[in-house]
Amino acid sequence: EPEVTQTPSHQVTQMGQEVILRCVPISNHLYFYWYRQILGQKVEFLVSFYNNEISEKSEIFDDQFSVERPDGSNFTLKIRSTKLEDSAMYFCAGLNSGEQYFGPGTRLTVT
Amino acid sequence: QKEVEQDPGPLSVPEGAIVSLNCTYSNSAFQYFMWYRQYSRKGPELLMYTYSSGNKEDGRFTAQVDKSSKYISLFIRDSQPSDSATYLCAMTPAPGTYKYIFGTGTRLKVLA
Repeated sequence: EPEVTQTPSHQVTQMGQEVILRCVPISNHLYFYWYRQILGQKVEFLVSFYNNEISEKSEIFDDQFSVERPDGSNFTLKIRSTKLEDSAMYFCAGLNSGEQYFGPGTRLTVT
Repeated sequence: QKEVEQDPGPLSVPEGAIVSLNCTYSNSAFQYFMWYRQYSRKGPELLMYTYSSGNKEDGRFTAQVDKSSKYISLFIRDSQPSDSATYLCAMTPAPGTYKYIFGTGTRLKVLA
């Protein structure tokens, strides 16, 4: 059964550095999402993406964040200048027929 | 008032018990409801997806939606130790471009 994959599984970076988190959704997914989950807290919506455009974004998704689907398969989240509070699990998700499937996540640690 | 409220638990039950997990919500725009299971440090795994009020059954899991009360439930029959996880409810006005709002999750422990 196809799965959403994410790389890397764990990324450690220094404050102020740029990071790019990568996701490969399932091929028949049409809508794509990024969520984050700070340790011990709830899953928070960041952004939804459809037809190569952002559909909706949350207050968390400020100018430091951007998303891209550069080649029709990968879906990336870039954080331009990381802050300590960006440390979290970042989940990519894809949707088809109303069912949203999550990847295993990337643990981002900002030091 | 939070958009989605979910008791964080933890909820401990003996093996074989029926488990009832619940969420309430305040936004009447929510029309689609999901239940996810999340093991520690893993991604959420979709268990159930419902739209209409009423019950939907899948194996040992039953999802119940009461839109008039803004209340959704997940029942797990014959609970097993492997069901021990955090259960998240999520909801959206419509699948697709709209955001999904998650509850805080209920931590369930099924004791052997």
